[in-house]
Amino acid sequence: AQTVTQSQPEMSVQEAETVTLSCTYDTSESDYYLFWYKQPPSRQMILVIRQEAYKQQNATENRFSVNFQKAAKSFSLKISDSQLGDAAMYFCAYRSGEGATNKLIFGTGTLLAVQP
Amino acid sequence: KAGVTQTPRYLIKTRGQQVTLSCSPISGHRSVSWYQQTPGQGLQFLFEYFSETQRNKGNFPGRFSGRQFSNSRSEMNVSTLELGDSALYLCASSLAQGMPSYEQYFGPGTRLTVT
Repeated sequence: AQTVTQSQPEMSVQEAETVTLSCTYDTSESDYYLFWYKQPPSRQMILVIRQEAYKQQNATENRFSVNFQKAAKSFSLKISDSQLGDAAMYFCAYRSGEGATNKLIFGTGTLLAVQP
Repeated sequence: KAGVTQTPRYLIKTRGQQVTLSCSPISGHRSVSWYQQTPGQGLQFLFEYFSETQRNKGNFPGRFSGRQFSNSRSEMNVSTLELGDSALYLCASSLAQGMPSYEQYFGPGTRLTVT
């Protein structure tokens, strides 16, 4: 069975600084996808960034980028130039690429605080 | 385009009762997935539906059931409620199933409290 681990329950960053959230996963599958989701205090979960396992290039979306280390099964999220609106719970998630499924396996989340 | 809507947003029930939660996906989306979010267990997959058929089910007791209608709206039902069923229930919709290029959009959730 696949598992996702986020070892940092809480993180804090100063506004305009850079922060990295960690995520490791375990799988025996070769085809899969990894995601970072953001859940602000209003509770609506939104997708931050997506990484296909077959792609060697790390995904980037504006101030958000990932460091995908496939051999180490590590998938960290870097937030540059942190803004107050980045404060939220961040979830790392895994999705199998085998079979037709949208099922996401989530980590336990990292609560990010942004200090002004 | 309207987002995923879930009704009701808040619900208080008593142990032993049953409850039905509703999820309306984004227009044109045919896949709906349900998740339970609790402080202790985190986010856990309940089930997913596509074209009115349950395609995948999580590790939950048979008290948890669901269905999808021809207009893609989905409902989930929990019978014989237990205190541990208190949670935020999230649904997510997507254009299709098994296509990672199709983003999943989450609704605001239904907060269920069992007393």
